[in-house]
Amino acid sequence: KAGVTQTPRYLIKTRGQQVTLSCSPISGHRSVSWYQQTPGQGLQFLFEYFSETQRNKGNFPGRFSGRQFSNSRSEMNVSTLELGDSALYLCASSTLAGIQETQYFGPGTRLLVL
Amino acid sequence: SQKIEQNSEALNIQEGKTATLTCNYTNYSPAYLQWYRQDPGRGPVFLLLIRENEKEKRKERLKVTFDTTLKQSLFHITASQPADSATYLCALAPHTGNQFYFGTGTSLTVIP
Repeated sequence: KAGVTQTPRYLIKTRGQQVTLSCSPISGHRSVSWYQQTPGQGLQFLFEYFSETQRNKGNFPGRFSGRQFSNSRSEMNVSTLELGDSALYLCASSTLAGIQETQYFGPGTRLLVL
Repeated sequence: SQKIEQNSEALNIQEGKTATLTCNYTNYSPAYLQWYRQDPGRGPVFLLLIRENEKEKRKERLKVTFDTTLKQSLFHITASQPADSATYLCALAPHTGNQFYFGTGTSLTVIP
């Protein structure tokens, strides 16, 4: 089975712009979670989607949003980019939603905001 | 405040020795705890899960212990190899809520 894929792998944007990142989960997985990873804060949960519905949201401002499509693919969007948004954005998929499930992570999208 | 702390900075050990990584938490009540490995430029890879009512879990050269009284998990790699060099993350899943909380990770280097 193919693993979790994320596109693009690298991205450079300037402050004030917006960005959309994409995640394709493992075939058959219906839950997708997004995380932000920075050296200082580590991995922080952004949100989780299951069957096109956001089930859980972390403590991030409304500039961070996401959605999930009927084929379980997910996108996250960050509007009005700030320098502090520079990070590795990871998505993880699992068969079902919830913390009981093992998550499989993609390679991440590295975003640099200048 | 809630905190998850792993070994500070990096851990260097000689090949063949046992590496022991710690994960300490405060103000969490985890239902279970997971350990992940992360290589540079890649996403974390799940290694082991241990539930609150389990004291120890093993998988090949890996062993995890979980002490809810001490609020601590230990992750051991026996007969370590240079290929074990990576960053190791612990993640807590609390009883309430529906998300994982990750530590900042410990960078392990196994010296040949």
